[in-house]
Amino acid sequence: AAGVIQSPRHLIKEKRETATLKCYPIPRHDTVYWYQQGPGQDPQFLISFYEKMQSDKGSIPDRFSAQQFSDYHSELNMSSLELGDSALYFCASSARDRGPTDTQYFGPGTRLTVL
Amino acid sequence: GIQVEQSPPDLILQEGANSTLRCNFSDSVNNLQWFHQNPWGQLINLFYIPSGTKQNGRLSATTVATERYSLLYISSSQTTDSGVYFCAVEGGRRALTFGSGTRLQVQP
Repeated sequence: AAGVIQSPRHLIKEKRETATLKCYPIPRHDTVYWYQQGPGQDPQFLISFYEKMQSDKGSIPDRFSAQQFSDYHSELNMSSLELGDSALYFCASSARDRGPTDTQYFGPGTRLTVL
Repeated sequence: GIQVEQSPPDLILQEGANSTLRCNFSDSVNNLQWFHQNPWGQLINLFYIPSGTKQNGRLSATTVATERYSLLYISSSQTTDSGVYFCAVEGGRRALTFGSGTRLQVQP
């Protein structure tokens, strides 16, 4: 079965640089979520999109922005990177209105290291 | 926001032993999921279980929504079961709030 695809899987950036993370949800899923997991911590919700519109917002810094495109893929843009942004970034998708349950399926994550 | 507490925080088992992990949450939920995070960081769905009982092989889970807790049972543990087990709930907003996890180590 198709899963959530994230790219790149690993990314190394310098402080103050920008980064773009991409997410391709499971086909026919209408909702995309982004989570950030710092070292030794639990994943924290950043932002979600439902049918290409922003749905909910969590603890996403102002330096970050995201959008969902017409083909349902999503991008997380991160600017003025700081050391504390080093983390595992997960994308998840669900079929909020298109399936029997609202299970969120997680991608493999992008490991961002800021030097 | 909703609070999620998991216990125990750490657990060491011998291969073949059984264990029970607990998740308490502070409010009613629309969604509850159990995940296993393996040593490579992947979050693997175990159960979607906002209420009731489910079983999948050596794993089973029960959620008692009226009493705001969920239990994950692991039987005949194997070394490959090692990792962190997260409970995550969705209440109010459409996003998962994770507990702090149970770190499980299964020794041969």
